[in-house]
Amino acid sequence: GAGVSQSPRYKVTKRGQDVALRCDPISGHVSLYWYRQALGQGPEFLTYFNYEAQQDKSGLPNDRFSAERPEGSISTLTIQRTEQRDSAMYRCASSLGTGDLDTEAFFGQGTRLTVV
Amino acid sequence: GQNIDQPTEMTATEGAIVQINCTYQTSGFNGLFWYQQHAGEAPTFLSYNVLDGLEEKGRFSSFLSRSKGYSYLLLKELQMKDSASYLCAVTSSNTGKLIFGQGTTLQVKP
Repeated sequence: GAGVSQSPRYKVTKRGQDVALRCDPISGHVSLYWYRQALGQGPEFLTYFNYEAQQDKSGLPNDRFSAERPEGSISTLTIQRTEQRDSAMYRCASSLGTGDLDTEAFFGQGTRLTVV
Repeated sequence: GQNIDQPTEMTATEGAIVQINCTYQTSGFNGLFWYQQHAGEAPTFLSYNVLDGLEEKGRFSSFLSRSKGYSYLLLKELQMKDSASYLCAVTSSNTGKLIFGQGTTLQVKP
């Protein structure tokens, strides 16, 4: 596609429910990142994929958070047993690859998650 | 640890020049990025520095001093549309993972 696409744009869920957030990166982009952004703050790294391999998940807050990218394209971030503190903007970003470190990351519009 | 500091807010006048500073302390360094983020929008890439010195791109320039752990973004001939948050980010690994500062909200006034 023309840009990084995320769905849904907005998600309201009840505490305790599971949610799945989807990211469709720019076609051909090898690297895919998930970030979480609180209002008035910079994005906070969650996890990184190189093709289908999850190479860094050091930013995932706890084991309720997981992510996958099974075919090296679309990725899903899943939050189980959601809690109110999970409410935030979840952003996906993709880049061509890690061969050149100056490759910019392109961010999606994000999914605004609200846990009530 | 990883720490990136930038001022929370700045105000400047249309047509003027403004400098947004960023200091960082990271366990490694593979480059520094500046991103612009308008309210309610996604961050968009502005600049990348990996070597010391100034990178100029139109009205925007970015400077890096690795020995001082310091960068700045210089915006010239400010326009109202430059009102946005400016995010400093460091990559310290070979994965391209970005560690962001909190962002500086710039308000441009007529």
